[in-house]
Amino acid sequence: EPEVTQTPSHQVTQMGQEVILRCVPISNHLYFYWYRQILGQKVEFLVSFYNNEISEKSEIFDDQFSVERPDGSNFTLKIRSTKLEDSAMYFCASKFDSYSNQPQHFGDGTRLSIL
Amino acid sequence: DQQVKQNSPSLSVQEGRISILNCDYTNSMFDYFLWYKKYPAEGPTFLISISSIKDKNEDGRFTVFLNKSAKHLSLHIVPSQPGDSAVYFCAGGFNTGKLIFGQGTTLQVKP
Repeated sequence: EPEVTQTPSHQVTQMGQEVILRCVPISNHLYFYWYRQILGQKVEFLVSFYNNEISEKSEIFDDQFSVERPDGSNFTLKIRSTKLEDSAMYFCASKFDSYSNQPQHFGDGTRLSIL
Repeated sequence: DQQVKQNSPSLSVQEGRISILNCDYTNSMFDYFLWYKKYPAEGPTFLISISSIKDKNEDGRFTVFLNKSAKHLSLHIVPSQPGDSAVYFCAGGFNTGKLIFGQGTTLQVKP
């Protein structure tokens, strides 16, 4: 079964450095998402992306965050200047279309550790 | 207010019996609800969904019930199997695609 793949599985970065988290969504999917889960907390929505632009973003997704689909397969999340509180699991998800009976499929996540 | 709550952090059930996981929500604007299962070091895996206009959806051993007046949904797993042991998340979804997750309930199915 096709799956969403995320790399790296674990990223360790110094505070203030830029980090790029990479995702390869399922190939025929059109809608892409990033979520994060801080240890011990809920999975939180960050951003949705469709047709090469952001559809919706949460208040967490401030100017330090950006997303990009640089080619036909990758979907990236960039954090420009990381803070300690950015340490979390980051999940990428994709969906074929916008209908509610089509669930989002999640990758296994990237654990981001900010030192 | 877009809160989704799972008030039971854990549930332990004997193999073969029914597992009932509960979820409450406060936002009447959700278009659908989903249940995901999550194992350690993996991402959430979709289990079952229900439209906000339905009150029941069944898929094999999994049934989701939606009580709109109570703003409550539940996931029934019958019969429970040891492989069902995982963290279960309910989520409210909008047609924009945004999902709001509950805190999760850890289910342990004992052999």
